[in-house]
Amino acid sequence: SQQGEEDPQALSIQEGENATMNCSYKTSINNLQWYRQNSGRGLVHLILIRSNEREKHSGRLRVTLDTSKKSSSLLITASRAADTASYFCATEGETSGSRLTFGEGTQLTVNP
Amino acid sequence: EPEVTQTPSHQVTQMGQEVILRCVPISNHLYFYWYRQILGQKVEFLVSFYNNEISEKSEIFDDQFSVERPDGSNFTLKIRSTKLEDSAMYFCASNRLARGYEQYFGPGTRLTVT
Repeated sequence: SQQGEEDPQALSIQEGENATMNCSYKTSINNLQWYRQNSGRGLVHLILIRSNEREKHSGRLRVTLDTSKKSSSLLITASRAADTASYFCATEGETSGSRLTFGEGTQLTVNP
Repeated sequence: EPEVTQTPSHQVTQMGQEVILRCVPISNHLYFYWYRQILGQKVEFLVSFYNNEISEKSEIFDDQFSVERPDGSNFTLKIRSTKLEDSAMYFCASNRLARGYEQYFGPGTRLTVT
């Protein structure tokens, strides 16, 4: 089954604006993790939210999780040009060991 | 801050050749993973490894692939006879205690099979 489908696929905003990316998934999860990937580079871990949590903050990042809707959102506030990257959600399934299932990602462009 | 490292950063090989991709996980982590990302596609799970054995593998991880922890620090992925479709970015990841913990990824090895 498909897991971790992000929308939008691409988002372009001006520096200083907020960016919201959404992720939907299909099966029950243990946790959901957000990652950032700069073009052609490695995956940087941003935040992990557990299935019994509804919201988590880390600096300018805010993640929400709605297990009833099987969806999560990542909000980046006061965006900077350096936030330009692809953002992926990845789910650890309830019954699928510790493997992560990634979505297609959202390409965020922050224009100076 | 500790990080996962991978070598080489880029490997070019001819079809049919064997390649070994190397990773050094974070030192106090116990679970290790390989993922791959074909250009323009999703990151896909290949295999997880704990206590010197495979704990889980995907359908991609067939007999052409093998993993090993040859010493106390390295974790390797071997592809026995590479195919063109093995061209991808290969990521190593580790986490402290498997389920419920953050997986930290290395910078990746770009494998190009010609």
